[in-house]
Amino acid sequence: EADIYQTPRYLVIGTGKKITLECSQTMGHDKMYWYQQDPGMELHLIHYSYGVNSTEKGDLSSESTVSRIRTEHFPLTLESARPSHTSQYLCASSGELGGGQGGAEAFFGQGTRLTVV
Amino acid sequence: AQSVTQPDIHITVSEGASLELRCNYSYGATPYLFWYVQSPGQGLQLLLKYFSGDTLVQGIKGFEAEFKRSQSSFNLRKPSVHWSDAAEYFCAVATSGGSYIPTFGRGTSLIVHP
Repeated sequence: EADIYQTPRYLVIGTGKKITLECSQTMGHDKMYWYQQDPGMELHLIHYSYGVNSTEKGDLSSESTVSRIRTEHFPLTLESARPSHTSQYLCASSGELGGGQGGAEAFFGQGTRLTVV
Repeated sequence: AQSVTQPDIHITVSEGASLELRCNYSYGATPYLFWYVQSPGQGLQLLLKYFSGDTLVQGIKGFEAEFKRSQSSFNLRKPSVHWSDAAEYFCAVATSGGSYIPTFGRGTSLIVHP
């Protein structure tokens, strides 16, 4: 069973507020990811990290920022939430490739459904 | 660049019928391939994966998938669908060219009729 946790599961917040979505994993994975998913839509990569002090922007432009100070923790922050940020945010992690037989698969948290009003 | 196409947005089947969900990828070499399932309001759960070797892979919940290099496909199958299989299914690809970061298809919504 994968151990990756996201909090909160649901968040309703007013426009202009600063929010941080938490993501933690206990698997010791170096790679971590944030995907954004609108209802019934595909997942879009917005941020990823190869390890501590590594952060990169993904394919989908996002006003959010991330940090990776510890291996197990990869929080996402929105400095000023807007209604256009309303979406589901999925955090995932993956381990090291092992002779081509594993490691590339991503394990997902339960997601945070964010609504900005 | 790697990409994944799931041509069917919705698939409707009767309970007990067989199922095949289509997935095509675009990449020059053999990629790592995955199928995930997502229930409403939940994260994604890995059903199965293909890295190398036997092109027919078995997964959880009675699912299997077959990698066909000539067709650049990785279709998901199940011989007899249960009502609890109703969910969203995502195909994903990870490649060396993409730093093994998974790219997902847009998903196929499976509807199961009793």
